[in-house]
Amino acid sequence: DTGVSQNPRHKITKRGQNVTFRCDPISEHNRLYWYRQTLGQGPEFLTYFQNEAQLEKSRLLSDRFSAERPKGSFSTLEIQRTEQGDSAMYLCASSTWDSEAFFGQGTRLTVV
Amino acid sequence: DQQVKQNSPSLSVQEGRISILNCDYTNSMFDYFLWYKKYPAEGPTFLISISSIKDKNEDGRFTVFLNKSAKHLSLHIVPSQPGDSAVYFCAASVGRNYGQNFVFGPGTRLSVLP
Repeated sequence: DTGVSQNPRHKITKRGQNVTFRCDPISEHNRLYWYRQTLGQGPEFLTYFQNEAQLEKSRLLSDRFSAERPKGSFSTLEIQRTEQGDSAMYLCASSTWDSEAFFGQGTRLTVV
Repeated sequence: DQQVKQNSPSLSVQEGRISILNCDYTNSMFDYFLWYKKYPAEGPTFLISISSIKDKNEDGRFTVFLNKSAKHLSLHIVPSQPGDSAVYFCAASVGRNYGQNFVFGPGTRLSVLP
């Protein structure tokens, strides 16, 4: 499968714990995006990488959130001290410089 | 305040008929619009896009119409097929950003009945 891969698919965590998600983009895609989708809503933009550089962060990305893309390949999204409001589907997408974004299947986070 | 609105949460259409999904936006800076389709347990898949310099873009059974003065776009699917049953998201951006800073609507669930 050469699409965008996200792991894990599901994560249940207790409030206050830290969680980390991984995204492996399509191999030749230099752009990578993270979105969050809550129930009944469309995806909301969180952050954007071009190669290893994080070029934009949404105001939704609070200090408890951090994203990295070392070496411009896979990316990780970490949430520290999770809160119940963090429960959502976290979507990763990637693109080339002239293609529309391809989304992964997402990681569903449930904070209990 | 939602900048991209899809006021119909769901739509049912008979197979072979036309499906029309609507989307309204409030930010006049938006100049690039996309439709994504999402099946259960899958990520959104790009369907079709339109730049504000056009008022229509067609790709096979899918046509997107843009009315800039009304800040309204619509997706027409003709003829509708059962495999088109999915959630359709309208998205907008300032410039063609390829994935950065898309603003999505809440989606419309389309059911195509055989």
